[in-house]
Amino acid sequence: SQTIHQWPATLVQPVGSPLSLECTVEGTSNPNLYWYRQAAGRGLQLLFYSVGIGQISSEVPQNLSASRPQDRQFILSSKKLLLSDSGFYLCAWGTGNSYEQYFGPGTRLTVT
Amino acid sequence: RKEVEQDPGPFNVPEGATVAFNCTYSNSASQSFFWYRQDCRKEPKLLMSVYSSGNEDGRFTAQLNRASQYISLLIRDSKLSDSATYLCVVSRYGGSQGNLIFGKGTKLSVKP
Repeated sequence: SQTIHQWPATLVQPVGSPLSLECTVEGTSNPNLYWYRQAAGRGLQLLFYSVGIGQISSEVPQNLSASRPQDRQFILSSKKLLLSDSGFYLCAWGTGNSYEQYFGPGTRLTVT
Repeated sequence: RKEVEQDPGPFNVPEGATVAFNCTYSNSASQSFFWYRQDCRKEPKLLMSVYSSGNEDGRFTAQLNRASQYISLLIRDSKLSDSATYLCVVSRYGGSQGNLIFGKGTKLSVKP
């Protein structure tokens, strides 16, 4: 069966510091991968998606970036965090055959 | 009109009650529809897909009305464990395969 991992689970970072969040998927090949952010009291916002290694599409212009160095690895990064980057970051995977997506446990980021 | 709109609730119901959630979506070309469940401070989990003919999974029944661009979820015989936020999710037409639009969710609280 497929599983998706994210780490760290929680993170507190000062404004201006860098960020690296990692997501890995097991039990499937060539998944579509997604990064979402859920701010307090708001819906899920799609940040990036990837349909293959090295293929990244950005949905929202911001100070975040994403990379997919391996088939089942997806990384979310920032060079300098802003207060507005605080939120619950969720990685998800899906197949190319359907729209269903499955989420990892998430990383709760607080920028201070 | 918002892409996916839900009544935020909260819906406070006693155990054993029947409760219904509604959702409207703006893009008539959307192809796939889902209900996700999100527990407090956890990741969303796929509850069920929604088909044009309507579908049922135990105590849960989902309906889709394409003409009215309306989706519903009915929960019968509510349990304490049903307390969560229910997200209405619609596929994004014209975007990359697998892109979804999430409603902000309807909060359900089932009381003893």
